[in-house]
Amino acid sequence: ETGVTQTPRHLVMGMTNKKSLKCEQHLGHNAMYWYKQSAKKPLELMFVYNFKEQTENNSVPSRFSPECPNSSHLFLHLHTLQPEDSALYLCASSQAETSTGELFFGEGSRLTVL
Amino acid sequence: AQSVTQLGSHVSVSEGALVLLRCNYSSSVPPYLFWYVQYPNQGLQLLLKYTSAATLVKGINGFEAEFKKSETSFHLTKPSAHMSDAAEYFCAVSPFYNQGGKLIFGQGTELSVKP
Repeated sequence: ETGVTQTPRHLVMGMTNKKSLKCEQHLGHNAMYWYKQSAKKPLELMFVYNFKEQTENNSVPSRFSPECPNSSHLFLHLHTLQPEDSALYLCASSQAETSTGELFFGEGSRLTVL
Repeated sequence: AQSVTQLGSHVSVSEGALVLLRCNYSSSVPPYLFWYVQYPNQGLQLLLKYTSAATLVKGINGFEAEFKKSETSFHLTKPSAHMSDAAEYFCAVSPFYNQGGKLIFGQGTELSVKP
């Protein structure tokens, strides 16, 4: 198993659909993150979970709903999205106690909202 | 507040030429600094990191970066570009000593390598 796995790799949805992105890490880490990567913009941190508890919500609209059932799994539930939400969503993990901040990324889920 | 600026959104070099990707940071405390690479349709992969040890840091694929506090810079270099180096490169700063993962990323520099 690769370190951080994201599914699906590609997703197309209408504005009224409900879908979920899944992330799984096999590195024994205890912190997980969602980042949004839009064209021509820096990566935006969306959510942070440490030991399954959400420790950061970076002013993300409520149409994005994260879930972290355990330290290895992270979901991003999507509903009533807007076309401007089309982007690459990256999941990452790390050891929460590390002082260096190094992140391990998945390959991303490319979302297109029609 | 911490921030990262990457000079040049696109850099083009010839195969075998020197690669220089520029990164300047702003941080009120001694930073940890990173370079990540993103190949098309993939996630980000760590190239190298500076964590207050040696100021010249060597990474994977022949890349290295030098931390210069006086210039608040952390430029990425490679002596000889290879076609496989074509990708997007991100500089990032970690604003906290003891909280991992809250990286602040630059806007990225796309590197093209011409034959």
